[in-house]
Amino acid sequence: DIQMTQSPSTLSASVGDRVTITCRASQSISRWLAWYQQKPGKAPKLLIHQASNLQSGVPSRFSGSGSGTEFILTISSLQPDDFATYYCQQYDGYSGTFGQGTKVEIK
Amino acid sequence: EVHLLESGGDLVQPGGSLRLSCAGSGFTFSNYGMSWVRQAPGKGLEWVSGISGSDGSTYYADSVKGRFTISGDGSKNTVTLYLQMNRLRAEDTAVYYCAKPLMGSISDAFDYWGQGTLVTVSS
Repeated sequence: DIQMTQSPSTLSASVGDRVTITCRASQSISRWLAWYQQKPGKAPKLLIHQASNLQSGVPSRFSGSGSGTEFILTISSLQPDDFATYYCQQYDGYSGTFGQGTKVEIK
Repeated sequence: EVHLLESGGDLVQPGGSLRLSCAGSGFTFSNYGMSWVRQAPGKGLEWVSGISGSDGSTYYADSVKGRFTISGDGSKNTVTLYLQMNRLRAEDTAVYYCAKPLMGSISDAFDYWGQGTLVTVSS
């Protein structure tokens, strides 16, 4: 099975900061990677698919990059609504493995 | 507009059974299929099972294979998805989400999710 590892697990940042979250796959997944945002008590929300494609309706301050085994989610200027937990998901195989999550907290 | 709504979550004893349902609208099941994803309390997301809309093929995580059964159908613009869960264990305790694939592949990102239904396995 493909394992996904996110770093960091927790990130403290201020409004306006540039934030990056890294996701590494245990084997190459080409660009079959998605990023989600989840707030407490809510379902995940798709932000990015195929590594860098912004989902419709998602603000342009979110961007994704990478291919193969290393991927990055960037928030160019952190907004109050962005404090949440972020998950990556590989979907190269039918069992779409998720990373363990990165919690973005207020500094 | 796509809508998904799960139901059926409950408190059940270890070894017991439960059937979850997901009612969907706004898309055609045969074009997309569906999946179940769960989240244990305070933990991350885990894909559980998926069903192909085109041929009904089913797929399971190793942790539930042989105990859970996914099924689903739908007419134009309505979808009904089920997850029959047998021989439940404490580690199956989680919020269960139904999720729609973005492009209709069994290997896909999920663009729509339900609000989740809580399954608690405890004596």
